[in-house]
Amino acid sequence: EAGVVQSPRYKIIEKKQPVAFWCNPISGHNTLYWYLQNLGQGPELLIRYENEEAVDDSQLPKDRFSAERLKGVDSTLKIQPAELGDSAVYLCASSLGGQGTYNEQFFGPGTRLTVL
Amino acid sequence: GNSVTQMEGPVTLSEEAFLTINCTYTATGYPSLFWYVQYPGEGLQLLLKATKADDKGSNKGFEATYRKETTSFHLEKGSVQVSDSAVYFCALSWMDSSYKLIFGSGTRLLVRP
Repeated sequence: EAGVVQSPRYKIIEKKQPVAFWCNPISGHNTLYWYLQNLGQGPELLIRYENEEAVDDSQLPKDRFSAERLKGVDSTLKIQPAELGDSAVYLCASSLGGQGTYNEQFFGPGTRLTVL
Repeated sequence: GNSVTQMEGPVTLSEEAFLTINCTYTATGYPSLFWYVQYPGEGLQLLLKATKADDKGSNKGFEATYRKETTSFHLEKGSVQVSDSAVYFCALSWMDSSYKLIFGSGTRLLVRP
């Protein structure tokens, strides 16, 4: 079974340019997460989706970041415009979802963004 | 606030040495605790977990015990291999609908032949 797929794996852009990351979760996983991982740090949650609904986006910088999961399957995270401080690895994860029981989060390999 | 603190790396060991990576946490209530591993070029993988005090999680020779009295979840392995070289992350979450994972900063392990 395929794991969480992310593309691109690497992206280099000039500051003030837009950038988008794509994630395809494991088939059947209703919950999708986007995490930000700065160099030498652990991942931090940006946004969580239950199907197509964003149920936790409290850590998403909404002035420049946006995300969507239109059909409740794959998702796109966008930054516009990018700043130097956005250089990091952007991780996508998915889980079966549902309340009251633990569902393991499976992570993709991430997209490494470099803003020049 | 809620947080996870790990020992700084890198940790460098010879093959077959004993491994301990310390992890302590600060949290309200009684979270679940996890160890994730990130091999070079790969995504994070769940290594083991414990959901209540005194539980021991184990997998691939690694173990960690949920110690409420010391708020710790130290990772141990009796005999490391070169293939264990990776970055290890301690994390916590709660048994509710969010399952937001809060990670430590990670500890890089390098095992030499």
